[in-house]
Amino acid sequence: GQNIDQPTEMTATEGAIVQINCTYQTSGFNGLFWYQQHAGEAPTFLSYNVLDGLEEKGRFSSFLSRSKGYSYLLLKELQMKDSASYLCAVSRNTGGFKTIFGAGTRLFVKA
Amino acid sequence: EAQVTQNPRYLITVTGKKLTVTCSQNMNHEYMSWYRQDPGLGLRQIYYSMNVEVTDKGDVPEGYKVSRKEKRNFPLILESPSPNQTSLYFCASSTVRGGGYGYTFGSGTRLTVV
Repeated sequence: GQNIDQPTEMTATEGAIVQINCTYQTSGFNGLFWYQQHAGEAPTFLSYNVLDGLEEKGRFSSFLSRSKGYSYLLLKELQMKDSASYLCAVSRNTGGFKTIFGAGTRLFVKA
Repeated sequence: EAQVTQNPRYLITVTGKKLTVTCSQNMNHEYMSWYRQDPGLGLRQIYYSMNVEVTDKGDVPEGYKVSRKEKRNFPLILESPSPNQTSLYFCASSTVRGGGYGYTFGSGTRLTVV
């Protein structure tokens, strides 16, 4: 079957670094997305990893290990506005094209 | 401005009364998709379309229909809504089959079926 696991909630302090993990089991893996979703709003695209390794984009970095079925999103220099849900999503290509989302990790940033 | 426009934003309806949620994108994207989002379950794909007149089922297609007669529009149709279809719905579009550039999502439609 297919499964995406990420922690339900995390709390971190303003200015700190936080790592949000995601593990997945799926066939036909294409790549892995991270999205940010503020409460009551639409998700917005953060990153897409196809190859193993770390990709950095400003304060946000995303890592992928295809052999381990593992990814993480790293947020540095946390700001209050980073309080949101972070969605891990897997792009699959098996006789059709689908993107499957995890349930999301709700991040609370405290002062 | 590049965007995905969904209407309506909020809708309360009664069981069995047919409804359509519209979705339109102005980015000339080939790929469009509908998701529903429920607490604890995340986003689940209902239907997707890879181009005009090409649609396919996602993971939770029961009770829904879609059509893709024009590239920009991808309406979601509930022929006979039921209370278990109460949810937050998102339309999304992308180029390159959703890879690389990610989805652009609409603002969402909060549907309540009583």
